[in-house]
Amino acid sequence: DQQVKQNSPSLSVQEGRISILNCDYTNSMFDYFLWYKKYPAEGPTFLISISSIKDKNEDGRFTVFLNKSAKHLSLHIVPSQPGDSAVYFCAAETSGSRLTFGEGTQLTVNP
Amino acid sequence: NAGVTQTPKFRILKIGQSMTLQCAQDMNHNYMYWYRQDPGMGLKLIYYSVGAGITDKGEVPNGYNVSRSTTEDFPLRLELAAPSQTSVYFCASRRGTSGETQYFGPGTRLLVL
Repeated sequence: DQQVKQNSPSLSVQEGRISILNCDYTNSMFDYFLWYKKYPAEGPTFLISISSIKDKNEDGRFTVFLNKSAKHLSLHIVPSQPGDSAVYFCAAETSGSRLTFGEGTQLTVNP
Repeated sequence: NAGVTQTPKFRILKIGQSMTLQCAQDMNHNYMYWYRQDPGMGLKLIYYSVGAGITDKGEVPNGYNVSRSTTEDFPLRLELAAPSQTSVYFCASRRGTSGETQYFGPGTRLLVL
């Protein structure tokens, strides 16, 4: 039972344009959502998070949007830079539980 | 402050051999986790611990064992290695739950032949 799903295995965008990474979930009890970024041969690193009581959280070039009625969240990167090329994982949890991760989306930003 | 460290970085095992993957954190975090990542897949939770002396199974615990005798260390034991255990293993820790950031180690790449 895949409770967190990232349907796009890969995404390619031009430098300077917007990157939009999507994530869908099935468990309505999730109350925190997080995005992690992973470079090859490294561990994932935390990028940004959002609580279920919010619908938007912004940190510099990164914004996460949460649509609870659609059980959907997205990560926007504006403007995209070549250094943003990495695998992005969406994760979700209910209070006091463990994180459930999506399969990841490989983002490639072309110069 | 080293964060989360893992050893070894890479290991080749023969079928049926055993080994221990080491994980340590110096942030005094209560929660520690072991994940495996197969090619093109997400992170699957193997085992986790909410504090010294307390461990519990995750999604894919078969073929593995853990112990947590101290806050800092959370070793993962593979008994009777099988080719299906070829993967990249990540250890992680965090202070608490409810949106707390989880910090990952650099990973151990394991090849079972």
